[in-house]
Amino acid sequence: GQNIDQPTEMTATEGAIVQINCTYQTSGFNGLFWYQQHAGEAPTFLSYNVLDGLEEKGRFSSFLSRSKGYSYLLLKELQMKDSASYLCAASDSNYQLIWGAGTKLIIKP
Amino acid sequence: GAVVSQHPSWVICKSGTSVKIECRSLDFQATTMFWYRQFPKQSLMLMATSNEGSKATYEQGVEKDKFLINHASLTLSTLTVTSAHPEDSSFYICSARLAGGRETQYFGPGTRLLVL
Repeated sequence: GQNIDQPTEMTATEGAIVQINCTYQTSGFNGLFWYQQHAGEAPTFLSYNVLDGLEEKGRFSSFLSRSKGYSYLLLKELQMKDSASYLCAASDSNYQLIWGAGTKLIIKP
Repeated sequence: GAVVSQHPSWVICKSGTSVKIECRSLDFQATTMFWYRQFPKQSLMLMATSNEGSKATYEQGVEKDKFLINHASLTLSTLTVTSAHPEDSSFYICSARLAGGRETQYFGPGTRLLVL
């Protein structure tokens, strides 16, 4: 079957760094997406990885290892506004997104 | 770029009525649009995938006669919740994707439906 695993909740301190992990099992693979979703709002696109390695975009970076079925989202210099749920989604052989349940990130002052 | 709008953002209706939600890609043509439902504190649940000019593909457990989807143009898809009941109250979110399959899904702001 197809499956995405990510932690349910994480807590971090303002100004610190946090890494949110995601493991996936899909029928075929066409890339890994990360989305941010604030409470009561729709998801917004953060990153897309299809090749192994680290993609950096400002304070956010995303890493992919296809051989391990593993990705992480790295958030640096955390700000209070980063408190949100972070959704991991893998694109399968049919380009369907398989969604994780999301990781709720709580930032404390 | 890649802006998706939804209308209405909020709707309150009486049980038994039908509600139509529109999803528009404002600055790109979307060959594929997706409809999701999200209950409070739960993850996104894909309801159906619609391709312009063809019938929608519904996920298992989603009643196609209850949730009517029309994707008449490359910039507009509509979801109609027919004979809505209180258990249909949820956050409905659409997303749109450019041609090619690998392209990112861009989400609309969502529509909150409350059925009394």
